[in-house]
Amino acid sequence: EAGVTQFPSHSVIEKGQTVTLRCDPISGHDNLYWYRRVMGKEIKFLLHFVKESKQDESGMPNNRFLAERTGGTYSTLKVQPAELEDSGVYFCASSYPGSSYNEQFFGPGTRLTVL
Amino acid sequence: LAKTTQPISMDSYEGQEVNITCSHNNIATNDYITWYQQFPSQGPRFIIQGYKTKVTNEVASLFIPADRKSSTLSLPRVSLSDTAVYYCLVGSWYSSASKIIFGSGTRLSIRP
Repeated sequence: EAGVTQFPSHSVIEKGQTVTLRCDPISGHDNLYWYRRVMGKEIKFLLHFVKESKQDESGMPNNRFLAERTGGTYSTLKVQPAELEDSGVYFCASSYPGSSYNEQFFGPGTRLTVL
Repeated sequence: LAKTTQPISMDSYEGQEVNITCSHNNIATNDYITWYQQFPSQGPRFIIQGYKTKVTNEVASLFIPADRKSSTLSLPRVSLSDTAVYYCLVGSWYSSASKIIFGSGTRLSIRP
């Protein structure tokens, strides 16, 4: 069974540019989550999809961040325009329908560097 | 939010048993206790989850006392490959994922 995949693994952009991160969850996982770790800080929750619906987006830092999950399969996280403080590692995770929110399968992350 | 407290770092040697304790004094009735492991440049990986007493799987054991205000992750006979950061998480089956707090984790270093 393939795990959660994320693309790209690393992205370097300049302040003001736009970046789109992609996450492909494990097949059959209705729950999809985005997290991020900014430099030196803890892993923080961003948002949670159940299929194509946003269940909880309370962790999204501001309106420069837009997450979508059209069709309830893969998800994208767009940052527009990117700022220096957006640098960090962005993780995606997925879990089975109805499973505990703790039993999540994480991807390897996308390292975003904003110059 | 159920905040957790765990040691920042621990050192041990190959073949030893390692116990990492996590404090979660304000755990709620519906909260589960879950441990994740994270290697450099990888995402966290689920290790074990429990509600009370003891849970054991092929990787680790989780001990939870009756008051549930703490828990101990036990790794039997560690190897160099167990060097990683270990996170103790507390949350409810029915609560929002935003209430799951990763914290700083415990950086475990295993020496030959």
